[in-house]
Amino acid sequence: NAGVTQTPKFQVLKTGQSMTLQCAQDMNHNSMYWYRQDPGMGLRLIYYSASEGTTDKGEVPNGYNVSRLNKREFSLRLESAAPSQTSVYFCASTLYANEKLFFGSGTQLSVL
Amino acid sequence: EDQVTQSPEALRLQEGESSSLNCSYTVSGLRGLFWYRQDPGKGPEFLFTLYSAGEEKEKERLKATLTKKESFLHITAPKPEDSATYLCAVQAPGANSKLTFGKGITLSVRP
Repeated sequence: NAGVTQTPKFQVLKTGQSMTLQCAQDMNHNSMYWYRQDPGMGLRLIYYSASEGTTDKGEVPNGYNVSRLNKREFSLRLESAAPSQTSVYFCASTLYANEKLFFGSGTQLSVL
Repeated sequence: EDQVTQSPEALRLQEGESSSLNCSYTVSGLRGLFWYRQDPGKGPEFLFTLYSAGEEKEKERLKATLTKKESFLHITAPKPEDSATYLCAVQAPGANSKLTFGKGITLSVRP
């Protein structure tokens, strides 16, 4: 039972570089989310996709873009990475928008 | 704006020493309050959802309770394997309302 799979687990970027974080779930969930977690702060929502074909901004969307590739996959792209984007990123999914979230194991990103 | 405050920030207990973790919240109507457990280097794992004041849910040594202003996660006779960060989150009404998370409480249980 894979659940929610995120790649990569670790990444180091230089300022200005771009990259895409990948997320896939095998639970046939409708809704998918991207969060960031910083020391001393709660999880903050970056973007979400309530259903296949839709995406919406969360609390902290600036500097990010997302793509809901299909029902299983939801990617997060940093077009020009900044040190302020150094964080741990979590992907999550849920069957319906108001139900409990299932999280991936996270991507630790450092931007130098 | 929805707000969640968890206290204390960190808690150290001796094995078998029962205690409670607090989650105070402000939300315009509560659809649900969620508790998650997060181990180092891993994603949060769902524990409980509470929907209305007076509701209680239990799982092994954990019991979650809810009032109109706060929730408690009671830990009875904790073991070292209960050491983790415990996250609280609230959800307002609405078809696509999102969760607002607290900063978490780091629990350490010494053998």
